[in-house]
Amino acid sequence: EAGVAQSPRYKIIEKRQSVAFWCNPISGHATLYWYQQILGQGPKLLIQFQNNGVVDDSQLPKDRFSAERLKGVDSTLKIQPAKLEDSAVYLCASATRGSYNEQFFGPGTRLTVL
Amino acid sequence: ELKVEQNPLFLSMQEEKNYTIYCNYSTTSDRLYWYRQDPGKSLESLFVLLSNGAVKQEGRLMASLDTKARLSTLHITAAVHDLSATYFCAVGQKLVFGKGTKLTVNP
Repeated sequence: EAGVAQSPRYKIIEKRQSVAFWCNPISGHATLYWYQQILGQGPKLLIQFQNNGVVDDSQLPKDRFSAERLKGVDSTLKIQPAKLEDSAVYLCASATRGSYNEQFFGPGTRLTVL
Repeated sequence: ELKVEQNPLFLSMQEEKNYTIYCNYSTTSDRLYWYRQDPGKSLESLFVLLSNGAVKQEGRLMASLDTKARLSTLHITAAVHDLSATYFCAVGQKLVFGKGTKLTVNP
């Protein structure tokens, strides 16, 4: 079974530029998550999708971050414009609608904002 | 707001000795997860604990959950070098993570 795929793996941009990340979840997983992991910290949930609908985006900085999952499969996360403090690893995870919601994580995209 | 605390944050272990790391959380939850993260890598699921008194073991790692005390422990038996990594606990359906415990095993 293929795991969660993410691209790109690394991205370096200057502040005020825009960037987008892509995630392809495990086949059949209805739930998709985006996390931000700042160096030395645990991941923090940004947004959760159930199929193509948003379940929770309470911690998403909506003035600059946006995410979509148009067909209930792939998802993109965009930052526009980027700030220095957005430097982090952005992790995508997916889960089935099982009894304990175990999440499987992708390799992440490491973003550096200069 | 659910808060999750892990301790210690750093643990330098000697090979073949036993150690425990702790995960405390602030509000009632019905599930707790342990993940491992190697440097530059993503998170690997280790354990899912779903009920009070749950205990799970895999190799040299054993995790337990006390929902009344809001505490989970990850016990390491006879540490070996390949256990060196950062270990995270995460609580709740929406995975609130602790800051992680960085384990280093020294010969």
